[in-house]
Amino acid sequence: GAVVSQHPSWVICKSGTSVKIECRSLDFQATTMFWYRQFPKQSLMLMATSNEGSKATYEQGVEKDKFLINHASLTLSTLTVTSAHPEDSSFYICSARWQDYEQYFGPGTRLTVT
Amino acid sequence: QKEVEQNSGPLSVPEGAIASLNCTYSDRVSQSFFWYRQYSGKSPELIMSIYSNGDKEDGRFTAQLNKASQYVSLLIRDSQPSDSATYLCAVNGGRDDKIIFGKGTRLHILP
Repeated sequence: GAVVSQHPSWVICKSGTSVKIECRSLDFQATTMFWYRQFPKQSLMLMATSNEGSKATYEQGVEKDKFLINHASLTLSTLTVTSAHPEDSSFYICSARWQDYEQYFGPGTRLTVT
Repeated sequence: QKEVEQNSGPLSVPEGAIASLNCTYSDRVSQSFFWYRQYSGKSPELIMSIYSNGDKEDGRFTAQLNKASQYVSLLIRDSQPSDSATYLCAVNGGRDDKIIFGKGTRLHILP
């Protein structure tokens, strides 16, 4: 299957600071990437759809000014959590769409805000 | 509202037996169907995709699709303790559509 990487795999930051997470498709070009959040023992929650060269589409209830998404190239999308607070602590996972149908997930980034 | 329904489990299956995981979906025009496996603390891993009615086999895994009944299932033969995980059913309505995930079924293989 296709390979998607994420960096960093885990990060601890202080409340009020910003954190950037990178998502890369390593062996294919992904016009569409997705960002998810998952709290412990809960299901995946889609945050936004990221299309190369255009603005991201956010799901209802997700603050676009807090979760900044940039998809500047066909292999890289970034998620920046701005002014992070403890309630933003979660497991953030990106995925990339391959050949129009299948989605492959990155390994995830565990964010802890202190 | 497009929905994908799964029994949350846990589903307990003895080692060596067949584990059967089921999923129903609401959007009749859905075209692509996927099964993901997610271990605790890890991200989901795609294990099967199926696009047409019938069975698709890959090793110990068999995906079954019945579009008339809007039903998709995953069979795991010769279950191993390493198969213990949450299995997510996912459905895609079309080429530019986003995948809709079920909430997952927790599978526990009993040694």
